Amino acid sequence: GEDVEQSLFLSVREGDSSVINCTYTDSSSTYLYWYKQEPGAGLQLLTYIFSNMDMKQDQRLTVLLNKKDKHLSLRIADTQTGDSAIYFCAERGSFDQTGANNLFFGTGTRLTVIP
Amino acid sequence: DSGVTQTPKHLITATGQRVTLRCSPRSGDLSVYWYQQSLDQGLQFLIQYYNGEERAKGNILERFSAQQFPDLHSELNLSSLELGDSALYFCASSASPDLGSTEAFFGQGTRLTVV
Repeated sequence: GEDVEQSLFLSVREGDSSVINCTYTDSSSTYLYWYKQEPGAGLQLLTYIFSNMDMKQDQRLTVLLNKKDKHLSLRIADTQTGDSAIYFCAERGSFDQTGANNLFFGTGTRLTVIP
Repeated sequence: DSGVTQTPKHLITATGQRVTLRCSPRSGDLSVYWYQQSLDQGLQFLIQYYNGEERAKGNILERFSAQQFPDLHSELNLSSLELGDSALYFCASSASPDLGSTEAFFGQGTRLTVV
């Protein structure tokens, strides 16, 4: 099945940029997502990128996709303490016996922003 | 607030028991997804229902079952519980049967502890 990998921890200083990386295995993935999970809360979709795009920018967030290397990254500019959370990379499963509608998540990267 | 309601928020039960987790999707959403988040397995897709019918199946154990009712709320039934079933169970909903650029909205989860 699909395998999505992320590093577990990242610490940055407030005001710096954060870069969270993700690798995935399913080259046929059409959509890739970044979700944020704050303590005690569900997952919140931050942004997504369609596989025919290399980059997507949304305010402080920049998503870069390298399809050749199956590498996805999320850059958060001017990181704030409120950005401290767990960030999950996810890919939409391809059309197979499990259906097209499940998301395969990475392990999540815990971002800690140091004031 | 995502608009997805899960009850109960916390559940403690003994091994061998059976529990039912409930999810009310966002108003108007026809798709309901169930996910299990555990420390060792990460976030795993269990099952999806769309408008009352099972749409996709993931890593759901035979001891687990789910259904979606005519009012679109969904229940996840976990039986013969084992210690390893202790996890955070998330429900998500979306408007369409197929995730893509459609966002899945997550509830806050039900934390199940099996003792």
